Amino acid sequence: KAGVTQTPRYLIKTRGQQVTLSCSPISGHRSVSWYQQTPGQGLQFLFEYFSETQRNKGNFPGRFSGRQFSNSRSEMNVSTLELGDSALYLCASSLGAERTDTQYFGPGTRLTVL
Amino acid sequence: GNSVTQMEGPVTLSEEAFLTINCTYTATGYPSLFWYVQYPGEGLQLLLKATKADDKGSNKGFEATYRKETTSFHLEKGSVQVSDSAVYFCALVNTGNQFYFGTGTSLTVIP
Repeated sequence: KAGVTQTPRYLIKTRGQQVTLSCSPISGHRSVSWYQQTPGQGLQFLFEYFSETQRNKGNFPGRFSGRQFSNSRSEMNVSTLELGDSALYLCASSLGAERTDTQYFGPGTRLTVL
Repeated sequence: GNSVTQMEGPVTLSEEAFLTINCTYTATGYPSLFWYVQYPGEGLQLLLKATKADDKGSNKGFEATYRKETTSFHLEKGSVQVSDSAVYFCALVNTGNQFYFGTGTSLTVIP
């Protein structure tokens, strides 16, 4: 079974631009979560989608948004990019929405903002 | 609230040494506990998990026991190998399916 895939793997943008990241979960998984990983802040939760509905949102500004499609694929959008948005963005999928469900992580998208 | 505290690194060990990485948590209710590992240039991989008190998770020689009385989930391995060099993250999931991660502990194993 294929794992979680994220595209693109690397991205370079300039301040003020916007960016869209994509995540394809493991087949059959309905929950997708997004995380931001930086050396200073570690792993921080962005949001979680289940069956096309956002169920949880972390403490990030409104510039960060996401959505999930009917096939469970998810996209994350960051508008008006800032230097501090440079990070590894990780997507994770799980079968359902139970706390006992294991989350499987993708390899991440490395975003660099110049 | 929910939070995870794990021992700071980096940790450097000789091959075949015993490994312990401490992890304690704060949570309401009954969270599930996880250890994830991140190899250089890769995403997070599940190492092991435990979903209720006194459960022991194990995988690839690593073990951790869910101790509710001490709110701990320490990671142990009896004999580490060079290939175990990675960053290890302790995490919990409570209601809402949101992960809370520790800051990560970098492990380097030298031959």
